[in-house]
Amino acid sequence: DAGVTQSPTHLIKTRGQQVTLRCSPKSGHDTVSWYQQALGQGPQFIFQYYEEEERQRGNFPDRFSGHQFPNYSSELNVNALLLGDSALYLCASSLAAGEKSYEQYFGPGTRLTVT
Amino acid sequence: AQSVTQLDSHVSVSEGTPVLLRCNYSSSYSPSLFWYVQHPNKGLQLLLKYTSAATLVKGINGFEAEFKKSETSFHLTKPSAHMSDAAEYFCVVSMNTGFQKLVFGTGTRLLVSP
Repeated sequence: DAGVTQSPTHLIKTRGQQVTLRCSPKSGHDTVSWYQQALGQGPQFIFQYYEEEERQRGNFPDRFSGHQFPNYSSELNVNALLLGDSALYLCASSLAAGEKSYEQYFGPGTRLTVT
Repeated sequence: AQSVTQLDSHVSVSEGTPVLLRCNYSSSYSPSLFWYVQHPNKGLQLLLKYTSAATLVKGINGFEAEFKKSETSFHLTKPSAHMSDAAEYFCVVSMNTGFQKLVFGTGTRLLVSP
């Protein structure tokens, strides 16, 4: 049973550029959430996707956008990169409903460095 | 609004001694509470969860936590630390609604010495 996978593992970008990160959820899961984890901090919720729509959003600017595909995989896009966007980006998958709906399974993350 | 406060940024124990990682929460609603562990260069792993059932929750690798509403606490314990327990631990709160937004604490680094 494949867990949550993310690509790429590492990424280096320049200020002002745009980046796309990808996530494939755990088999059977239909909901994907994205988190940003700055160095030495706990993860911060960016947004959540279900049925190809953004269901909830954290305190992140519109430069952060996402998409969910019919196969439940998801992308996170960040435009006009800032140095402060350097972080580990984590994807988590879960079920929208049911007894196990509160369990989120995390991928290994994508380490983004903005120079 | 919900939040969690992890009272210690670092905890050091010797192998074989008990572990106590402290967490206090704040929530306007009946919360779900979790502990996650993050080993270096690895993803977050769910240790245990509380979702309004039994207040003493048992997790993986011998960890357990007790939900105390009167103290708004959800401390993580383990009777005997192992070297492999060295990692970053996060206390997490979520509203008991259809949305699953997780709010993380700042983390506690557990150091285990031989």
